[in-house]
Amino acid sequence: GAGVSQTPSNKVTEKGKYVELRCDPISGHTALYWYRQSLGQGPEFLIYFQGTGAADDSGLPNDRFFAVRPEGSVSTLKIQRTERGDSAVYLCASSLNSGSLGEQFFGPGTRLTVL
Amino acid sequence: TQLLEQSPQFLSIQEGENLTVYCNSSSVFSSLQWYRQEPGEGPVLLVTVVTGGEVKKLKRLTFQFGDARKDSSLHITAAQPGDTGLYLCAGERGSQGNLIFGKGTKLSVKP
Repeated sequence: GAGVSQTPSNKVTEKGKYVELRCDPISGHTALYWYRQSLGQGPEFLIYFQGTGAADDSGLPNDRFFAVRPEGSVSTLKIQRTERGDSAVYLCASSLNSGSLGEQFFGPGTRLTVL
Repeated sequence: TQLLEQSPQFLSIQEGENLTVYCNSSSVFSSLQWYRQEPGEGPVLLVTVVTGGEVKKLKRLTFQFGDARKDSSLHITAAQPGDTGLYLCAGERGSQGNLIFGKGTKLSVKP
């Protein structure tokens, strides 16, 4: 079956530009997570959706970052006024249910490079 | 702040050798998960340990959760080149499944 897909796989942008990263979760998965993985680091939690609502956005680094999931399926991570420090792999994961021990299935990530 | 420290950071061994990777924290976690990540892909869950002192085996991989639920280890017996990858441990933050990851151990197994 289809796993989590993310588009684009690579995105190169210039400092100050706006970018959108898309995540298509596994069909039927109600929980969706965004993580950021910098070079040589483990993934870092950004935001979690249960259905359409952002249940926990405490990991977003600042107000330039925003994410939506309007119909409870596809999610878009939006970054305004990109900075070089935003360069990283952005990972999306989905889970059938939220909460403890719900297995998260990760997509391949979007590699964002800010020049 | 809950942190997970993994060691070693890098490990290069020959095929057939055994190895152990460690994941330590000063905080108690309700569960710990181990993932394997290959270049250009997302992490893939290997195992979840929940009970202090728990030992789980997955073929040549043995996972252990410390009695105090603050640390975990992954032991690989007779490593093979296919075991090459980044091994990540992760603990749950809160009750909604948000994960805190360690930095990972990059394992290279040479034929």
